[in-house]
Amino acid sequence: DAGITQSPRHKVTETGTPVTLRCHQTENHRYMYWYRQDPGHGLRLIHYSYGVKDTDKGEVSDGYSVSRSKTEDFLLTLESATSSQTSVYFCAISDGTGYEQYFGPGTRLTVT
Amino acid sequence: GEDVEQSLFLSVREGDSSVINCTYTDSSSTYLYWYKQEPGAGLQLLTYIFSNMDMKQDQRLTVLLNKKDKHLSLRIADTQTGDSAIYFCAETPSGSARQLTFGSGTQLTVLP
Repeated sequence: DAGITQSPRHKVTETGTPVTLRCHQTENHRYMYWYRQDPGHGLRLIHYSYGVKDTDKGEVSDGYSVSRSKTEDFLLTLESATSSQTSVYFCAISDGTGYEQYFGPGTRLTVT
Repeated sequence: GEDVEQSLFLSVREGDSSVINCTYTDSSSTYLYWYKQEPGAGLQLLTYIFSNMDMKQDQRLTVLLNKKDKHLSLRIADTQTGDSAIYFCAETPSGSARQLTFGSGTQLTVLP
């Protein structure tokens, strides 16, 4: 299995609070991605990174920000969580070719 | 935008073949993928096919691509109970920093 960990694995938070999810990889891969998974929607891309300090928006980026200060870590921040952000969040990584993405175990976030 | 569609459910008997179908709309798709998700787990990359191929076989898995009809299928031979999972089709267009667009997933149930 690709060396990807996500923390926390489960979190319950209240509407309006900030939340940061962490993705850590030990593969030294260039690309990192954040997706959310919701029933009936499959996985949708939130943000991705193509190198340290290089990030771009995905399909559903509103309400989310990301940072990548080191190759191994990619952080996803919800500045002010809303109930619509209740979801399962997956991190993925990919090497320089970018054609094989490997996924972490996921973080289940509940916003009450 | 890009769209990937799959049927939601498929049930088969143990030992039979399973065929999971997917259609996509983006004619510039470069690679097409099949991922497997078991309950409570992340996504596991099963196989992928480059758009200039029409078939790829890997042990019990056969991927067929009809580029003209934008139709992708995954055949699992001798389906086992351990194959019960959600299967996601995904595609990435060329020049997209390898962003994946996923279908909603097909729940495969293998009956004893």
